[in-house]
Amino acid sequence: QLQLQESGPGQVKASETLSLTCTVSGGSITSSSHYWGWIRQPPGKGLEWVANIFYTGSTNYNPSLKSRVTMSVDTSKTQFSLKLSSVTASDTAVYYCARALIRSGDAFDIWGQGTMVTVSS
Amino acid sequence: QSALTQPPSASGSSGQSVTISCTGTSSDVGAYDYVSWYQQHPGKAPKLMIYEVTKRPSGVPDRFSGSKSGNTASLTVSGLQAEDEADYYCSSYAGSNSHVVLFGGGTKLTVL
Repeated sequence: QLQLQESGPGQVKASETLSLTCTVSGGSITSSSHYWGWIRQPPGKGLEWVANIFYTGSTNYNPSLKSRVTMSVDTSKTQFSLKLSSVTASDTAVYYCARALIRSGDAFDIWGQGTMVTVSS
Repeated sequence: QSALTQPPSASGSSGQSVTISCTGTSSDVGAYDYVSWYQQHPGKAPKLMIYEVTKRPSGVPDRFSGSKSGNTASLTVSGLQAEDEADYYCSSYAGSNSHVVLFGGGTKLTVL
């Protein structure tokens, strides 16, 4: 059974770079049917799509975050990663990694448990 | 692209039905049959309940159904049960000139 697990610092200083990794276990990351994505949720607020990546390294970014976001994938480690630069307090959120169904308009069918990241001044 | 519009709250009595709307534009909800719905209980990760407007993943009760008309998608929960009380989010693919995924602001469903 495929599982996703986020990891990374729970606190990042303002203006620095947030770095998170998602480890995929119990299945293949090199699937031609799936993207791998990040979705975030500020405390008490709704979901916001951040970015997706295909196992070849092809990426799609939220236009509102595009200038600060970088995703990468390491198929040998079955991991994909997120970097968000120049963070501010508004980037404080629970960050989820998830698997997206390519042929279903990126419906996210498997999610990690989420990791809280707080941006401090 | 802007977020999809959902009512902030909805409610229904146990055993009744409730419908939650999700309004987008002709560039997202209206353009593609790629609307998804997620259920989120407090402190938990979202769970996919509906994809491609009407399809249910394995294990999701058939009390949950989806539909779409024009730029508005809907999630209907029939035979409301206490465990259905949660936040519900819609999502739509919004391809056009770039590959984008939009979420709605979420609807808090209360089972009375």
